[in-house]
Amino acid sequence: SAVISQKPSRDICQRGTSLTIQCQVDSQVTMMFWYRQQPGQSLTLIATANQGSEATYESGFVIDKFPISRPNLTFSTLTVSNMSPEDSSIYLCSAAGTMTYGYTFGSGTRLTVV
Amino acid sequence: QKEVEQNSGPLSVPEGAIASLNCTYSDRGSQSFFWYRQYSGKSPELIMSIYSNGDKEDGRFTAQLNKASQYVSLLIRDSQPSDSATYLCAVLNNNAGNMLTFGGGTRLMVKP
Repeated sequence: SAVISQKPSRDICQRGTSLTIQCQVDSQVTMMFWYRQQPGQSLTLIATANQGSEATYESGFVIDKFPISRPNLTFSTLTVSNMSPEDSSIYLCSAAGTMTYGYTFGSGTRLTVV
Repeated sequence: QKEVEQNSGPLSVPEGAIASLNCTYSDRGSQSFFWYRQYSGKSPELIMSIYSNGDKEDGRFTAQLNKASQYVSLLIRDSQPSDSATYLCAVLNNNAGNMLTFGGGTRLMVKP
């Protein structure tokens, strides 16, 4: 299964600023996913990032707030824009080399907006 | 709306007992089923996958799938305190976007 390096692991940011989270996969993967996990909650899918096309966003998430880049088959970024305290959460990226072997996750980014 | 349901727990079992975690799903087109373990403050870790009806065993873990009943379970034999974590059930419909749908997770506590 793919191994994903995610950074930063945590950050404390001022409201109104933006943070870009990076995920690097050790092998080429077709699809990458970005999730948000709020304390004590399960994972909520933000968007699916495919190389060579625009990301597909889930209901409640928009590109202006969470722009995503996918420049190649091993890398993706998620930006959390114009942050507010409500954006404080853990953000996780995920990928699968092949669909049948499950999806692995990066180590997560714990974001606190003050 | 595709849903995956789990009892949030906590499920408390004594050390050495069998822990039984259950999950139901609404999308009959789901084809692949996964169990993830998530320790507090860590990211989810894939521990089991199952694709066909029946049982699949891997060490102390057994996944069970019943597609007719839209039910998947995870049994942990000889539970250890280190098994204390939140267990997330996830399902995948390869014909519908290839993204996982997660349940809310069951918190398992194994008491020494």
